[in-house]
Amino acid sequence: DVKVTQSSRYLVKRTGEKVFLECVQDMDHENMFWYRQDPGLGLRLIYFSYDVKMKEKGDIPEGYSVSREKKERFSLILESASTNQTSMYLCASSTLSPGELFFGEGSRLTVL
Amino acid sequence: AQSVSQHNHHVILSEAASLELGCNYSYGGTVNLFWYVQYPGQHLQLLLKYFSGDPLVKGIKGFEAEFIKSKFSFNLRKPSVQWSDTAEYFCAVILMNTGFQKLVFGTGTRLLVSP
Repeated sequence: DVKVTQSSRYLVKRTGEKVFLECVQDMDHENMFWYRQDPGLGLRLIYFSYDVKMKEKGDIPEGYSVSREKKERFSLILESASTNQTSMYLCASSTLSPGELFFGEGSRLTVL
Repeated sequence: AQSVSQHNHHVILSEAASLELGCNYSYGGTVNLFWYVQYPGQHLQLLLKYFSGDPLVKGIKGFEAEFIKSKFSFNLRKPSVQWSDTAEYFCAVILMNTGFQKLVFGTGTRLLVSP
């Protein structure tokens, strides 16, 4: 089975702190994604990567950056956390079959 | 811009009732269509998908969905729901032949099935 592991299930941070969310997949997938999930808004794409060291902005990249130094690992970085970044963050990976994503369990971030 | 609409945000049903969740999308090119489900406390997972061929597709746990191209719709159905179907359901669409294909999700429908 494909496994996508997010390093932290729950985080509480203060405004202005730098936050790292880590994601690792074990199936050698080319594509990796970061979404945020908010009630009533569904899933919105923050960033994605289709290869090592490659990254592309999604629909809501402001306030975020990403890093993909190894194929299996995709990190989301909040340079200076703000309260409006309180959310559930979902990492996903996929092969070349478009749209078939495998998700991690999510990281719930609260920014105080 | 691409958009996916799920008009029912919350649905409450009794066990054995029939279910239909609506999904509409807003572009006319070739699309691949998906339903994902998130059970309480679990990760989001693929329920079913449509790429081409028979517009009536069957997924796991007795779910099915019908692609109606003329209506830009991909509604999810189940003849008889169970308490264990309580979950949030997301419709998603990819517009094909547009470079890297990004999956666009609807806003989700929370289904509560009462025993």
